Amino acid sequence: QQQVKQSPQSLIVQKGGISIINCAYENTAFDYFPWYQQFPGKGPALLIAIRPDVSEKKEGRFTISFNKSAKQFSLHIMDSQPGDSATYFCAASRSGSARQLTFGSGTQLTVLP
Amino acid sequence: NAGVTQTPKFQVLKTGQSMTLQCAQDMNHNSMYWYRQDPGMGLRLIYYSASEGTTDKGEVPNGYNVSRLNKREFSLRLESAAPSQTSVYFCASRDGGAGELFFGEGSRLTVL
Repeated sequence: QQQVKQSPQSLIVQKGGISIINCAYENTAFDYFPWYQQFPGKGPALLIAIRPDVSEKKEGRFTISFNKSAKQFSLHIMDSQPGDSATYFCAASRSGSARQLTFGSGTQLTVLP
Repeated sequence: NAGVTQTPKFQVLKTGQSMTLQCAQDMNHNSMYWYRQDPGMGLRLIYYSASEGTTDKGEVPNGYNVSRLNKREFSLRLESAAPSQTSVYFCASRDGGAGELFFGEGSRLTVL
């Protein structure tokens, strides 16, 4: 059962453009929604995270938008740069659960120079 | 600043062989995890250890065993490798049940 659905699978954006990656979740008990960034040959690393008490969180060029009623959240990368080319994973978990983050299937982003 | 260290980084096995992937973290984290990453499947949890002395199954535990040797170390064992276990394996840790998950650089395993 895939509890976090991520789209698109791949995305190509021109330098300076906006990259948008979407995720939808099923478990209403989830209350922590991070995005991880992974470069080739490396492990994923936390990029930005949000909790459902806010609808948006911004860190530099990266913004998470959260829609609790629709059970959806998205990552927006403004002014995309070639250095942003990586695989992005959304994830979700429930506070107090050491069990796991449930990850989306990943989006391979390519930013063309 | 080692963080999470995994060994080996690459391994080729024949079907039926056994091997152990090693993981160590130097951040004094309580919880440790083993994930596998396959194309189009994201990261799937194999086993986790919420604290020293405890281990629990994740989403895809079949064919694997784990040992939480001490607070720092968490190993993953394949007793009889199968081609379906060809994957990239990631060890991760975090402090307790919430917050940032720190990943190692991965171990690429090929089973022929």
